[in-house]
Amino acid sequence: RKEVEQDPGPFNVPEGATVAFNCTYSNSASQSFFWYRQDCRKEPKLLMSVYSSGNEDGRFTAQLNRASQYISLLIRDSKLSDSATYLCVVNGGGNKLVFGAGTILRVKS
Amino acid sequence: NAGVTQTPKFRVLKTGQSMTLLCAQDMNHEYMYWYRQDPGMGLRLIHYSVGEGTTAKGEVPDGYNVSRLKKQNFLLGLESAAPSQTSVYFCASSYSALDTQYFGPGTRLTVL
Repeated sequence: RKEVEQDPGPFNVPEGATVAFNCTYSNSASQSFFWYRQDCRKEPKLLMSVYSSGNEDGRFTAQLNRASQYISLLIRDSKLSDSATYLCVVNGGGNKLVFGAGTILRVKS
Repeated sequence: NAGVTQTPKFRVLKTGQSMTLLCAQDMNHEYMYWYRQDPGMGLRLIHYSVGEGTTAKGEVPDGYNVSRLKKQNFLLGLESAAPSQTSVYFCASSYSALDTQYFGPGTRLTVL
């Protein structure tokens, strides 16, 4: 089993839609969780950290479910500019961050 | 703020040639990383460093060497390039092991 797994998509949604991605992780002792965004042919950039109590940043909401070992990202009122690959990041064994392969989001007008 | 910079941005090598990729960060981070990214496989850790003078192997270290002689620089070397090393290489740095990583713009390497 991979340490971090994501649905590769692509998720094709219209502008204004709400879309959610899940990411599962295998290490029950994981403590650090992030969502990164990667635009085509660019470097990954931090979108938001994920806290135990859940957190929100504008149209973006991240949640952590430790019991089922997954994190989620919810995007409300999708914009064309949200089109990107979203990477789930979790600390795995060996005290290192492990990056998921990413979920592709395409927002269409 | 420069953040993390990488040179070169693009490079084409012939099989068997060698090259060095340079990563520099100006955030005084202790941790630095080299990843490669291939289609459908996500980011894979090649080598990393937890401080000046230290290096350690990641998930896919074979065929690569690294050095961290100065805190701000992390070099990735390919001694004898192979077509399987065609990839996009990203450098990253962070304050601590589980902290946010900041990435450079990447180097696109093609080995013919």
